[in-house]
Amino acid sequence: QSALTQPASVSGSPGRSITISCTGTSGDIGSFDLVSWYQQDPGKAPKLMIYAVNKRPSGVSNRFSGSKSGNTASLTISGLQAEDEGEYYCCSYATSSPVVFGGGTKLTVL
Amino acid sequence: QVQLQESGPRLVKPSQTLSLTCTVSGGSISSGDYYWSWIRQPPGKGLEWIGYIYNSGSTYYNPSLKSRVSMSLDTSKNQFSLTLSSVTAADTAVYYCARATRVVILEYWGQGTLVTVSS
Repeated sequence: QSALTQPASVSGSPGRSITISCTGTSGDIGSFDLVSWYQQDPGKAPKLMIYAVNKRPSGVSNRFSGSKSGNTASLTISGLQAEDEGEYYCCSYATSSPVVFGGGTKLTVL
Repeated sequence: QVQLQESGPRLVKPSQTLSLTCTVSGGSISSGDYYWSWIRQPPGKGLEWIGYIYNSGSTYYNPSLKSRVSMSLDTSKNQFSLTLSSVTAADTAVYYCARATRVVILEYWGQGTLVTVSS
């Protein structure tokens, strides 16, 4: 059982927007602005998409955005494209670990 | 551009010790505010953080693995290493090394290496 809770799957049509939630506790997401998001294609290493809740690394499309409210962080992808398909993981600093991951969300572009 | 590459045995027998090395190119592991990290992913499952070693040599391990994990730096070879003792089939996974800033910003990853625990 993962420390952070994500939906197992989400789907959306090309051009639309989707949001993936990541729920933690006051010991992780709720206390630290150190949430990151990773995209993983099958057989590949994860790729950093968002860090520090809402910052994008150089080279990541501005269609990807992050936010946080209370103990829940969210990743929003706008203008969905087929290439956005894959598995998405959230990650947070935590007092207990100090790094905890979500269980992953499979994104399907319909 | 920083690059990381894992290496080590792909098959380990139960109860033995798993040992992996990560070779870093494009930057020195002994400089900068970086956390040299290990993450694993069992087949078909999610990511699990194993731990990190800082450039000073200080370490922090996942509490669930702490009793079996050890990490070290070899600055002369620009490498860092992972050992996991008393392995079982549950330790079968793709093992990734990565460079992190602020502990959780895993910005550079190795390609990963599948380690199978089997007799």
